[in-house]
Amino acid sequence: DADVTQTPRNRITKTGKRIMLECSQTKGHDRMYWYRQDPGLGLRLIYYSFDVKDINKGEISDGYSVSRQAQAKFSLSLESAIPNQTALYFCATSDFWSSGGTDTQYFGPGTRLTVL
Amino acid sequence: QQPVQSPQAVILREGEDAVINCSSSKALYSVHWYRQKHGEAPVFLMILLKGGEQKGHEKISASFNEKKQQSSLYLTASQLSYSGTYFCGTETGGSGGSNYKLTFGKGTLLTVNP
Repeated sequence: DADVTQTPRNRITKTGKRIMLECSQTKGHDRMYWYRQDPGLGLRLIYYSFDVKDINKGEISDGYSVSRQAQAKFSLSLESAIPNQTALYFCATSDFWSSGGTDTQYFGPGTRLTVL
Repeated sequence: QQPVQSPQAVILREGEDAVINCSSSKALYSVHWYRQKHGEAPVFLMILLKGGEQKGHEKISASFNEKKQQSSLYLTASQLSYSGTYFCGTETGGSGGSNYKLTFGKGTLLTVNP
């Protein structure tokens, strides 16, 4: 079984709808991240969480919110989806101590979201 | 601040060599390299730590010039399987605080043709 899973893998929705993307991990990592990927723009950080009680905005958090329900679960919500939120979304995890004091990240398979 | 990768894209024939560069305007603690195949998730390749040795395995290796805040990824005798987008991720600082995380470059698209 995959260590980092994302659901759904693909989603098509309409403008104005509320959408939740979910991420679960069995790696036991404390840190979790949400990125979006657009062609030519690389990986842009939306939100990150260093533990259950710690949530931080990334570089492009506007229009998104997150919830860290447990160490293993980190959800990303689009309260009112708009077409320019069409992108590939990745969840990632890391563990500072088990990686020898670095932020080596491990990615889920991604969710392809299309907003019409 | 986002590291800068160069070139943006490179096309090779099987067996040729390539170098991908990653530079930062900030002092670096570490540089990570990832590869992403089309439609898949980025996969961790290797990490280079400040004061550490050049890392690598098989025909993919990397170096880290701390003074210039640069890293280079070397792909020798490229194979078709090397095709994909290569990302560098940089860490500044090093104390494990709340701002201690990777920042990724925009990526370098590597295409290896037969």
